[in-house]
Amino acid sequence: SAVISQKPSRDICQRGTSLTIQCQVDSQVTMMFWYRQQPGQSLTLIATANQGSEATYESGFVIDKFPISRPNLTFSTLTVSNMSPEDSSIYLCSVEGGGRVETQYFGPGTRLLVL
Amino acid sequence: EDQVTQSPEALRLQEGESSSLNCSYTVSGLRGLFWYRQDPGKGPEFLFTLYSAGEEKEKERLKATLTKKESFLHITAPKPEDSATYLCAVQSFNAGNNRKLIWGLGTSLAVNP
Repeated sequence: SAVISQKPSRDICQRGTSLTIQCQVDSQVTMMFWYRQQPGQSLTLIATANQGSEATYESGFVIDKFPISRPNLTFSTLTVSNMSPEDSSIYLCSVEGGGRVETQYFGPGTRLLVL
Repeated sequence: EDQVTQSPEALRLQEGESSSLNCSYTVSGLRGLFWYRQDPGKGPEFLFTLYSAGEEKEKERLKATLTKKESFLHITAPKPEDSATYLCAVQSFNAGNNRKLIWGLGTSLAVNP
């Protein structure tokens, strides 16, 4: 399975500011995913990022709030814009591995606290 | 609507006390059901993929089974290091016909020595 790293691992931010989270994979992958994991809630998919095309956002998530870049097959960024305390969460990136049905492998996550 | 429900929410076992976690699902056209383990402060770690009813997978003290409506994760003679949150997910498709996983809330397992 791919080795995935995320930066930063955690951060504390002030409301109204923006934070960019980086996701780096040690091999080339077609699809990358960004999730949010809030206390007491299931993992929620924010968007799917394919290299060379615009990210596909899930219902309830918009590009102005969560812009995503996917410049190559090993890297992606998620920006959380104009943050509010409700954005406090763990943000996870994942990639698809091989297999009969595409298995997702996750990075270690970015723990964000917005004050 | 695609949905995944896990039970119990939390489970506390004594070391060596076997038990099962449940994942019931509703999805149009199951392509795969996934089990993950998540330790505090870490991302989910992949355990198993099950593709069709009747299928079973084993890894050390864990055994996953699948029926047409639910999956079980059986834990035999658990050890304290098995303490974690166990997550279940099924594969579906979003409006853009991209693959996506539908996740349950997880079962938080604590194994006491």
